[in-house]
Amino acid sequence: NAGVTQTPKFQVLKTGQSMTLQCAQDMNHEYMSWYRQDPGMGLRLIHYSVGAGITDQGEVPNGYNVSRSTTEDFPLRLLSAAPSQTSVYFCASSRAAGMNTEAFFGQGTRLTVV
Amino acid sequence: AQSVTQPDIHITVSEGASLELRCNYSYGATPYLFWYVQSPGQGLQLLLKYFSGDTLVQGIKGFEAEFKRSQSSFNLRKPSVHWSDAAEYFCAVGAYSSASKIIFGSGTRLSIRP
Repeated sequence: NAGVTQTPKFQVLKTGQSMTLQCAQDMNHEYMSWYRQDPGMGLRLIHYSVGAGITDQGEVPNGYNVSRSTTEDFPLRLLSAAPSQTSVYFCASSRAAGMNTEAFFGQGTRLTVV
Repeated sequence: AQSVTQPDIHITVSEGASLELRCNYSYGATPYLFWYVQSPGQGLQLLLKYFSGDTLVQGIKGFEAEFKRSQSSFNLRKPSVHWSDAAEYFCAVGAYSSASKIIFGSGTRLSIRP
């Protein structure tokens, strides 16, 4: 099983550029999330989705957009990159709520905005 | 809203010594609780989880954690640490109604003294 796959692994952007971080899972999970990890701050939830066509904001959504057109994919879009968005980004997926479930994480995307 | 506090930013223990990492959570109902480990440059791996039932849960790699509702705590323990346990450890809390909205603590970095 591939699990949760994130691409790219590394990316350098210039301020103002846009890009999309890709996330795909092959476990037929309903729930998917995006987190950013910054030193001393742990993982902070950016956006999450409870199923295809449904998304919601997390703790730090500003500057990011998401969509969920299929169960498998949950891309994260940076509309106009800023140095404050330099971080490591993790995508996670999990089964339906109310069940004995856990989040599975991708390997991360290290993004630098210069 | 959920929140998680890990009061220790960095802990150093000697190889073979016992370990306890602290985690306090805030959530109005019965929480889902998790401990994840992150090795340098890697994604997150689930160590153990608590959903209900026995308040002492066993995980992988010889770790265990105890849920104490009266103290709102979910501390991670290991009787004897190995050099390979050096990593960053994250406590997380999830809401029963939304498995994807998992909130993480800021993490505790564990170093092992030879």
